[in-house]
Amino acid sequence: KQEVTQIPAALSVPEGENLVLNCSFTDSAIYNLQWFRQDPGKGLTSLLLIQSSQREQTSGRLNASLDKSSGRSTLYIAASQPGDSATYLCAVRPEYGGATNKLIFGTGTLLAVQP
Amino acid sequence: KAGVTQTPRYLIKTRGQQVTLSCSPISGHRSVSWYQQTPGQGLQFLFEYFSETQRNKGNFPGRFSGRQFSNSRSEMNVSTLELGDSALYLCASSLTGSGEKLFFGSGTQLSVL
Repeated sequence: KQEVTQIPAALSVPEGENLVLNCSFTDSAIYNLQWFRQDPGKGLTSLLLIQSSQREQTSGRLNASLDKSSGRSTLYIAASQPGDSATYLCAVRPEYGGATNKLIFGTGTLLAVQP
Repeated sequence: KAGVTQTPRYLIKTRGQQVTLSCSPISGHRSVSWYQQTPGQGLQFLFEYFSETQRNKGNFPGRFSGRQFSNSRSEMNVSTLELGDSALYLCASSLTGSGEKLFFGSGTQLSVL
């Protein structure tokens, strides 16, 4: 059974700092991995999607890497800003099961960027 | 382009009642998925619909059901509500449901008293 874990559970950093969020998964048979952001009481916003054949994806100050064989992904946020404060979730789509949007989510990292 | 719309935004029900939640996907999107989010269990997959057919189902009791209409709008129904059904219910849509980016609605916060 696929399990997705995120470390740390919570993180507080001063504005301007670069930071790394970690995601690990137990079954390497994944189709892709997505990183999401969730603001309090709101839905999820997709940040980056990495296909299983890719090593990394970049969007602005965000860079996500994927090491499928070791079951790990990292989300790097450069020059953090108070507006980056949110919960960050990673989710894997299993390789099996055909065409599907069934995702298995991690436990999330609550990020607070202090001005 | 309008995003994923979920109604209502908040619901308060009592144990034993039933509830219906609605989701309108982004125009052109044919896949709709439903997720339950609770502080204890996190985000869990409920079910997915594509072209009016349930394509995948999570590990939830039969009290949880859903359907999709020809315009891709979807509803989920929970019968005989229990206290543990209190959660944020999120709907997500995508073009084909084949592993592309998911777009989530703001959710329906259900409280069962």
